[in-house]
Amino acid sequence: GAVVSQHPSWVICKSGTSVKIECRSLDFQATTMFWYRQFPKQSLMLMATSNEGSKATYEQGVEKDKFLINHASLTLSTLTVTSAHPEDSSFYICSARDPASGSYEQYFGPGTRLTVT
Amino acid sequence: GQNIDQPTEMTATEGAIVQINCTYQTSGFNGLFWYQQHAGEAPTFLSYNVLDGLEEKGRFSSFLSRSKGYSYLLLKELQMKDSASYLCAVRDQSASKIIFGSGTRLSIRP
Repeated sequence: GAVVSQHPSWVICKSGTSVKIECRSLDFQATTMFWYRQFPKQSLMLMATSNEGSKATYEQGVEKDKFLINHASLTLSTLTVTSAHPEDSSFYICSARDPASGSYEQYFGPGTRLTVT
Repeated sequence: GQNIDQPTEMTATEGAIVQINCTYQTSGFNGLFWYQQHAGEAPTFLSYNVLDGLEEKGRFSSFLSRSKGYSYLLLKELQMKDSASYLCAVRDQSASKIIFGSGTRLSIRP
């Protein structure tokens, strides 16, 4: 199956700093990637849809100026958490679909655990 | 609006069968997924239903009734490793994004 990677797998940062998380499709091209956030014992919450070569589409309630998304190539999307605060500590997961496969399955990255101190 | 409901927690016995239900009310529907997620890991794909009926895949089966806005995931011959969260998710009207339910934490006891 298709593989999606994320980097870093975990990161600790100080309050007020910015953190960049990368999501890569390793063996397929993804025109669209999705970013989710998951708090402990809760389900995945869709934050935004990342579109290659155009602006991301944010879900209601998600601050686009705080969570910057860039999808500069068909295999890479980045999520930057700006001016991080402790309440941003969460598990961030990206996913992508392989349009060439004809399958509707979304492949998830392994996730990035962010801790803001 | 989007509303996807699942039981929060379930417990079952090793070797038994368990059914996890999911009801949904969404602005559009283009298919329903079931994912398994172990703690601290990303979700892994289990099944995808777009038409009514039962889809069987090994020990796991998934059922969909679009008219009732209802799906279930059936797990047979339960193993301890099946202890995980099971997430029901619906592809929305745009058919591009997936909206997840709150998930069901399944615990398997010996």
